Amino acid sequence: AQKITQTQPGMFVQEKEAVTLDCTYDTSDPSYGLFWYKQPSSGEMIFLIYQGSYDQQNATEGRYSLNFQKARKSANLVISASQLGDSAMYFCAMRDKSNDYKLSFGAGTTVTVRA
Amino acid sequence: NAGVTQTPKFQVLKTGQSMTLQCAQDMNHEYMSWYRQDPGMGLRLIHYSVGAGITDQGEVPNGYNVSRSTTEDFPLRLLSAAPSQTSVYFCASSDPGYNEQFFGPGTRLTVL
Repeated sequence: AQKITQTQPGMFVQEKEAVTLDCTYDTSDPSYGLFWYKQPSSGEMIFLIYQGSYDQQNATEGRYSLNFQKARKSANLVISASQLGDSAMYFCAMRDKSNDYKLSFGAGTTVTVRA
Repeated sequence: NAGVTQTPKFQVLKTGQSMTLQCAQDMNHEYMSWYRQDPGMGLRLIHYSVGAGITDQGEVPNGYNVSRSTTEDFPLRLLSAAPSQTSVYFCASSDPGYNEQFFGPGTRLTVL
């Protein structure tokens, strides 16, 4: 069974600093994808970044990077140079080959950026 | 290009009432799904469809029905609303593989 664990319910970060959001996952399928979504207070789900299990390099998208440690089953999101607009809930999710119709989500981490 | 649309955005029901949450996508995606989001629990899969005419249950299907008569539409029916179904409901669509799932804006449902 798939499982995503986000152990940090909430985090505070100073504006312009970097923040790391933890995510660990569990799957027996060797082929899978890992996703991070942002949910601001307005409620929509915004896709941030994707990492495939066979990708050799860590994914990056602008200020977002994914620290993928396959042996540890870890896929942490790093947000560099935090901005006030980064304040939101962040979800880690996984989709594997045997269940590619769905995403399994973690419980989320709330990030609050302080000026 | 509208992406994934959901109606209504907000709804209040009384216990025992029925209603349908609408979802439509214009990206010709094969897969469509319904999730519910409750505080502290992330999103959980209610029902999904891998193509027109094909639906199946997810993790939390009780109290909900779905149908998929066209590629574009995937309505979610609450048969007899209960307070435990108070939640935010998201519809999503995607194609097979590991591509991004596209989410609708959500429907906030309150059952009194």
